[in-house]
Amino acid sequence: QVQLVESGGGVVQPGRSLRLSCAASGFTFSTYGMHWVRQAPGKGLEWVAVISYDGTNKYYTDSVKGRFTISRDNSKNTLYLQVNNLRVEDTAVYYCAKDRSGRNIVEYWGQGTLVTVSS
Amino acid sequence: DIQMTQSPSSVSASVGDRVTITCRASQGISNHLAWFQQKPGKAPKSLIYDASNLQSGVPSKFSGSGSGTYFTLTISSLQPEDFATYHCQQYNSYPFTFGQGTRLEI
Repeated sequence: QVQLVESGGGVVQPGRSLRLSCAASGFTFSTYGMHWVRQAPGKGLEWVAVISYDGTNKYYTDSVKGRFTISRDNSKNTLYLQVNNLRVEDTAVYYCAKDRSGRNIVEYWGQGTLVTVSS
Repeated sequence: DIQMTQSPSSVSASVGDRVTITCRASQGISNHLAWFQQKPGKAPKSLIYDASNLQSGVPSKFSGSGSGTYFTLTISSLQPEDFATYHCQQYNSYPFTFGQGTRLEI
């Protein structure tokens, strides 16, 4: 069965960086696009970024452009989100999600990893 | 960016009821709309894609409809496990955007 396990969250000061990881199993990782979606405490869901199956195409929501980078290592079945210059408003649970058949449809979700940005 | 607006923000219902939640897009998105269910402290679960297609394993008590700018999610014969927050999302154009969520309460 599909499993997505995020890691790398924690408490960081504003302006610092983190790298979030998502270990995938139960499907052929190299053939599916992948997403990051976040949820601030008590708030709704916010789509963050998507990467194509081969890593050649990447798209971001406006608020993270230039600060966040989505990437993947298909040899390790792992998705990444490099988050730089963190702001207090980036505090959220970050979920990775598997795409359905390359159509930008979120199909499966990980359990999430919490990033807290605080001084 | 496309704005997604759900209504109501919260709704109360009883076991056995049928409830409908709406989602409106600020511009046409064809049928590129998904619905998700989220329970407190848990990751979302995918329910519907392309406005009306059930994801694998989702019971037929969930149904979706709509195209363009107006969409609905209907849940029939509510059971205790259905009480959760429901989110819509458009994936017609970047950046993909979610509605603010609808909390379904007992």
